[in-house]
Amino acid sequence: GENVEQHPSTLSVQEGDSAVIKCTYSDSASNYFPWYKQELGKRPQLIIDIRSNVGEKKDQRIAVTLNKTAKHFSLHITETQPEDSAVYFCAASNYDYKLSFGAGTTVTVRA
Amino acid sequence: DADVTQTPRNRITKTGKRIMLECSQTKGHDRMYWYRQDPGLGLRLIYYSFDVKDINKGEISDGYSVSRQAQAKFSLSLESAIPNQTALYFCATSDRDRNNEQFFGPGTRLTVL
Repeated sequence: GENVEQHPSTLSVQEGDSAVIKCTYSDSASNYFPWYKQELGKRPQLIIDIRSNVGEKKDQRIAVTLNKTAKHFSLHITETQPEDSAVYFCAASNYDYKLSFGAGTTVTVRA
Repeated sequence: DADVTQTPRNRITKTGKRIMLECSQTKGHDRMYWYRQDPGLGLRLIYYSFDVKDINKGEISDGYSVSRQAQAKFSLSLESAIPNQTALYFCATSDRDRNNEQFFGPGTRLTVL
């Protein structure tokens, strides 16, 4: 089955700086890569996703890049704000529609 | 608002007890999933169902069973709860016509003593 590894497990950044979270996956058939954000005590919610026919996708301060050859993808958050503090999960799936999640990254934005 | 709901939200039980966690959705989605979340381990898939007559094991199905009573309802059972099943449990749904995006319920915090 698919194995997704996520790094780092914790990340502390100064407000206004950028944050980068990296994930690798094992199954070359995977073609869908979402990122979920989970605020404290809340449910995970999709913030951005990318498909394997696209190398980069951007939504305001959030961007995701995908390198299919190397089987890794990354989340980039620019101009971080206190409300960006949360746990972020990457995931991967193929046509079976099952998501395999990374272990999560706890992001803390320091004021 | 169309949503995914879970009951109960919190449950404390004892080793050996049978427990059922329930999930309902008003999104009209055909696919439903059960995950458990443990610190440092992310979200792990327990069972999933693509329609009422379809049940599939996930990566950690041992000790759990499920029932898809209707398109909108998917319940998770622990036949004989054990302490290492203490975790946060999430139900999720997705629509076959809308990529793989999954929508999560609010979670059930289960403690097995």
